[in-house]
Order: sequence, then C-alpha cells, then structure tokens
Amino acid sequence: NAGVTQTPKFQVLKTGQSMTLQCAQDMNHEYMSWYRQDPGMGLRLIHYSVGAGITDQGEVPNGYNVSRSTTEDFPLRLLSAAPSQTSVYFCASSHSRGENQPQHFGDGTRLSIL
Amino acid sequence: TQLLEQSPQFLSIQEGENLTVYCNSSSVFSSLQWYRQEPGEGPVLLVTVVTGGEVKKLKRLTFQFGDARKDSSLHITAAQPGDTGLYLCAVGGSQGNLIFGKGTKLSVKP
Repeated sequence: NAGVTQTPKFQVLKTGQSMTLQCAQDMNHEYMSWYRQDPGMGLRLIHYSVGAGITDQGEVPNGYNVSRSTTEDFPLRLLSAAPSQTSVYFCASSHSRGENQPQHFGDGTRLSIL
Repeated sequence: TQLLEQSPQFLSIQEGENLTVYCNSSSVFSSLQWYRQEPGEGPVLLVTVVTGGEVKKLKRLTFQFGDARKDSSLHITAAQPGDTGLYLCAVGGSQGNLIFGKGTKLSVKP
C-alpha cells in the first residue's frame, strides 16, 4: 500500500547545482502537485498536473520545472539551486481536480542548499 | 493577507487536557478540510466538512464547520501524546490545489 512515494528523503546541494526530486503514486490518480513548506509560510503550490502531458504553474514556480509523461510519475527539477530553495518539498495526488478531493501526500524531501 | 487564519499557533498541554483550535476566514467556502502532519511526514487528511453547522466526530476529535461556512474548529477531548503534531486547515483553490492555513503546532506531554 505505497500511496505517494518521494525520493530522496534528504539532500544537500551546492548553489548552482541541479537535481530532480522524484514523486510516484500507485493509486491511478489524475491530479498531482508539488508544494514547498517553509517556517512561517505554510505550504505553497509550486506546480501541478491534471493528467499525463498536462502541467501548469502554481503560486511559486520560479526556478522549478516539471513534466508528466506518465500518470504515475511527476518529477520536480531544480534547474540551478539557490539558498532560497532550501525547504521541505511535498508531492501530493488526488483522484481528480475537484474541490472536495482528499489529497494524499508523500513524506517529503528535505532539501538544503549551501 | 492569509486566507485562513489558524489559532493558536502553538499549544503545549498535559495528557488528559481538552483543547480547541480554530480556523477563521472572512471568505465563504463550500467545504473545508483538516489535516494532521506528524514530524517527518506529510499531511494526512482527518476530515472534510461541507455543510454549515456540520459536526463530525473522529474518536476524541470533534470538528465543526461554522454556520456561515467561514470558520471551523477542532476540539480534542482528553489529549494523548499521540495527538502531537501540526494541525492544518485547508480549502480548495482554483487550480485544484489546497490552500492551507499556517497550522497549530500541538505538543501533548505525558
């Protein structure tokens, strides 16, 4: 019963490096999203996808890219890491885009940029 | 301006005490969700409330949606250390996402 799986759990990068945070779900959910969680700021939407091949920007998309080639996977790419991207990143999925849909979250990736 | 204001921000109590946390807004919502996030984990849905005045119970947790659907409360009876965590309220956003409050961080000491 995996649900939403995120890897890695922890990562330390140097400024300017790039990396991909992985997210996979096994519930056949159409809607997937990425949030970052920062102290005092709460959870903020980075990017989302309503289905394979369709992605769009959220509240804080700058510095991040996403793609959705399959229903199961929704990776988040940091193009050139900056200290301001130090955060905890959560991937979430839901059956569809509807307002009452419960969102299922992964356990997060804790990312530090030096 | 934060859409959802949660209070208190922090709460530290002894095992067996009762507590209430609040989620307030000036906007009207068709539904509202409560999540609990334990350290090192992602948020987990506790309940969705959809009708003004609705009360839902989940064991020792009681959730209420305000009559005007602008606010909600979570009451915990006889808190246990296992109730420790960050309690988040959330409403649906226009992008299919959730818009969260900043949460109430609850610590229940044995």
